[in-house]
Amino acid sequence: DAGVIQSPRHEVTEMGQEVTLRCKPISGHNSLFWYRQTMMRGLELLIYFNNNVPIDDSGMPEDRFSAKMPNASFSTLKIQPSEPRDSAVYFCASSPDRYEQYFGPGTRLTVT
Amino acid sequence: KNEVEQSPQNLTAQEGEFITINCSYSVGISALHWLQQHPGGGIVSLFMLSSGKKKHGRLIATINIQEKHSSLHITASHPRDSAVYICAVPLYSGGGADGLTFGKGTHLIIQP
Repeated sequence: DAGVIQSPRHEVTEMGQEVTLRCKPISGHNSLFWYRQTMMRGLELLIYFNNNVPIDDSGMPEDRFSAKMPNASFSTLKIQPSEPRDSAVYFCASSPDRYEQYFGPGTRLTVT
Repeated sequence: KNEVEQSPQNLTAQEGEFITINCSYSVGISALHWLQQHPGGGIVSLFMLSSGKKKHGRLIATINIQEKHSSLHITASHPRDSAVYICAVPLYSGGGADGLTFGKGTHLIIQP
């Protein structure tokens, strides 16, 4: 099994640009989670989906952030417009049983 | 929402020492996770436990549901154990399908 796949692995962009992060969960997993990791706040939940439906997006910092899961094998996290304070590592994780979580390698985002 | 306290934040020890990392959480949970993050950033799930004790190689995790406390032990520590160890629990009481909330992590360095 390839594990959770995230792309890109690294993204450098200028303030104001749109950024799209992508995640392919492990086949057969029905829950998907987006997390963000910063030095100041550590790891925090942004949003999660169950059977492609967003369940809790209360962790999304503001309207500039949006996430979609159009099908069971793909999810995106979009930031528009991006700001320097969005610089972080963004992790996607998937779960087969609503308990065990498998993390992707993360996308390191730098907004200059 | 659940809150997680982890200690110590930093720990430096000599090779061969017995290591203990502690985690406390605020509300009842279905399962607690111990995660490992190496330099370079990938997150690996070490344990998910809801009661008692689990062992994998030199790693042992215990949980006391009544006291809302868990410990991660490393026996015969080795420099390759150097990493950040993170405790995580469901964000909401009784949640299993919910996303996780995380401790700040314990930065462990094992010196040869």
